[in-house]
Amino acid sequence: EVQLVESGGGLVQPGGSLRLSCAASGFTFSSYEMNWVRQAPGKGLEWVSYISSSGRTISYADSVKGRFTISRDNAKNSLYLQMNSLRAEDTAVYYCARAPPYYWYFDLWGRGTLVTVSS
Amino acid sequence: QSALTQPASVSGSPGQSITISCTGTSSDVGSYNLVSWYQQHPGKDPKLMIYEVIKRPSGVSNRFSGSKSGNTASLTISGLQAEDEADYYCCSYAGSSTLLFGGGTKLTVL
Repeated sequence: EVQLVESGGGLVQPGGSLRLSCAASGFTFSSYEMNWVRQAPGKGLEWVSYISSSGRTISYADSVKGRFTISRDNAKNSLYLQMNSLRAEDTAVYYCARAPPYYWYFDLWGRGTLVTVSS
Repeated sequence: QSALTQPASVSGSPGQSITISCTGTSSDVGSYNLVSWYQQHPGKDPKLMIYEVIKRPSGVSNRFSGSKSGNTASLTISGLQAEDEADYYCCSYAGSSTLLFGGGTKLTVL
C-alpha cells in the first residue's frame, strides 16, 4: 500500500527539541520530493519545509528557518524534521507530504503527528 | 511569506455552483501556473483536488475545476453535493523552492 506514516510527536516544553520521522512505503521514495506541512489546532495549513529527491535542495518557511532542519535517508525510505528552540506557536499536527518529481503539489499525505509545545 | 487570501466561508445549496477565490501577489500566484487546491474533511488529511491551476487528478470529480486570472486563482465546484462540505485550501509555488497556502475556506452545503 502506498502510504506515509509520521511519528515522533508529543509534548515538549518551550525551548525544547523534537525529531519527527516519516516512513514511506509502497513507492520509490528516492524519486519523490518531500515536504512537511503543519496545521495548528483549528487553523489552516502551513507549508514548513521542502527537500528534493536527492536531498541537495532544501528550503524552509520563514517561521521555522534557523530552528528546524529537514533531512531524508533514501536507503531507509524515511523523511525527518529536527525541531529545535520550540515555541508555543509551533503546536500543530505535522504532516509529511509527497510531491512528484519536478512538480509543486502534494499528491500523497500522511495522517500527521501532533506536536504540543507547552510548559 | 504572507499567506494567500481566501474567503473564510462560502455556502451553496445542493445542485448549485460555488467559486472560492485565492488571491496572492505577482511573486507567487501571478508568476507561476503552479496553484493547487486541497479538500480537507474534519479530522482527515488533505486531498489533492486540482494542480497546476486547471488539472484534475484521476479520481477527482469533473465537478471540480480551477482557473486563474492575474494574481487570483479560483476553484469552482458545480452541482454541489452534501459530501463537498469541507475546508478548501489553495497553495501556490512562491519561488526559491518555497510554497504558500491560503488561509482556508469552509464550504457549507445548505
